[in-house]
Amino acid sequence: DAGVTQSPTHLIKTRGQQVTLRCSPKSGHDTVSWYQQALGQGPQFIFQYYEEEERQRGNFPDRFSGHQFPNYSSELNVNALLLGDSALYLCASSFYSLSYEQYFGPGTRLTVT
Amino acid sequence: GNSVTQMEGPVTLSEEAFLTINCTYTATGYPSLFWYVQYPGEGLQLLLKATKADDKGSNKGFEATYRKETTSFHLEKGSVQVSDSAVYFCALSDQETSGSRLTFGEGTQLTVNP
Repeated sequence: DAGVTQSPTHLIKTRGQQVTLRCSPKSGHDTVSWYQQALGQGPQFIFQYYEEEERQRGNFPDRFSGHQFPNYSSELNVNALLLGDSALYLCASSFYSLSYEQYFGPGTRLTVT
Repeated sequence: GNSVTQMEGPVTLSEEAFLTINCTYTATGYPSLFWYVQYPGEGLQLLLKATKADDKGSNKGFEATYRKETTSFHLEKGSVQVSDSAVYFCALSDQETSGSRLTFGEGTQLTVNP
C-alpha cells in the first residue's frame, strides 16, 4: 500500500518565477492538505482540498493556489516566488470523515534564489 | 486563536535515559492532540494521538496523556534509543473552531548518544 508521494523531491527557482508541486494521497484517502515548513520551524497550514474544492485556507496570500483532481491527487502552485518562499512543502492526506488524522509525504524542498 | 508551545530544545540524552518533552496548548474548543516525529530528510510521521480529555496515546514505547486541566500533552518514554533521535512536534486539531487543520509547535530536536 503506497503512502503519500510527492514530486519533485527538490526544486530550485528564481525570484519571480512560478512553481507547481504535486502530491498523490495514500490509497483510499480523499482529502489533501498542504503545509509549509520553514527551516527549524513547525509546519504551517496552507489549505485543504476535498471533492476538488478548497475547503479551508490558512494565512497565505493568493499567490498560493491549488487544485485537486478527480483521482484525489493535488497540485500546489506558487506564483511570483519570493526568497521567503524557500521551505519544505508537505502534503498530507486523510479521509474527510477523519480529516484530523493526517498522513504526510516526504515533502518537496523548494529553494528560491 | 489556537496555539501549541513546546519546551525549548535541543534535548540531548544518553541511551536508556528517561525522556520528557513538554507540550502545552491553547484552544477555544475541544481539540484532538498529536505527536509527530520527523527523521532527518523525511516528512512527518504520526507517533500517537488522543482525542479527548484523560485519553492516553501510546506507540513504540512513547506515551502522552491529554490533560485538560493543565492544557498539556507531554511526551514521555522510559528508555530512549539512538534510533529515537529526531525532531518531535506536538500538534492540535480543533474541529469546532478551525476545522481539521493541524496547528504545530516549533518542534524539539532530540539527540540520543550511545
